[in-house]
Amino acid sequence: DGGITQSPKYLFRKEGQNVTLSCEQNLNHDAMYWYRQDPGQGLRLIYYSQIVNDFQKGDIAEGYSVSREKKESFPLTVTSAQKNPTAFYLCASLGRLNEKLFFGSGTQLSVL
Amino acid sequence: GQQLNQSPQSMFIQEGEDVSMNCTSSSIFNTWLWYKQEPGEGPVLLIALYKAGELTSNGRLTAQFGITRKDSFLNISASIPSDVGIYFCAGLLRGTGANNLFFGTGTRLTVIP
Repeated sequence: DGGITQSPKYLFRKEGQNVTLSCEQNLNHDAMYWYRQDPGQGLRLIYYSQIVNDFQKGDIAEGYSVSREKKESFPLTVTSAQKNPTAFYLCASLGRLNEKLFFGSGTQLSVL
Repeated sequence: GQQLNQSPQSMFIQEGEDVSMNCTSSSIFNTWLWYKQEPGEGPVLLIALYKAGELTSNGRLTAQFGITRKDSFLNISASIPSDVGIYFCAGLLRGTGANNLFFGTGTRLTVIP
């Protein structure tokens, strides 16, 4: 099946630890996005990438880092500098031709 | 970043009733997208709209791209319990080279059997 796969579904971070959230898509989309969703709130953009080897900061990039070495993959690292990382993280990709944005199933990150 | 104005914020309806919600913006968009999200899951794309005035259906769901290109509407007819969830819109600006996606704040739908 074509789509976006996020892993893991649940992730726990210890204080001072960096953790990486995986996002893989087989839709041949150029653009990929990472959003943070807090309870009862809308989506906030962390980082986005419109092409391989290029990415841009979103509204809340501090404490996060990304890479885009392959078209299919856009991992997000939550660093120890992110002091309030507990949230639901969503990865998405956008088709240039049909302009449809598809989301992964999300990763719930919690702090131990 | 910009958020789209979505209303209502929440709705409590009886099973079988029809539902309407809308998104408005101060900006013109090229594409409007509508999603449904259930707890602990990613949003699922329901309908995509590409032209001003376009009316598109997906089963009991119907969405319209506003004539001004600054708004969009989603209707659900004959609601059923599995319609429960959060519905939100997204507007897309084409070809800006920057962040070009903006989201509504969501409408939480509760269907009472």
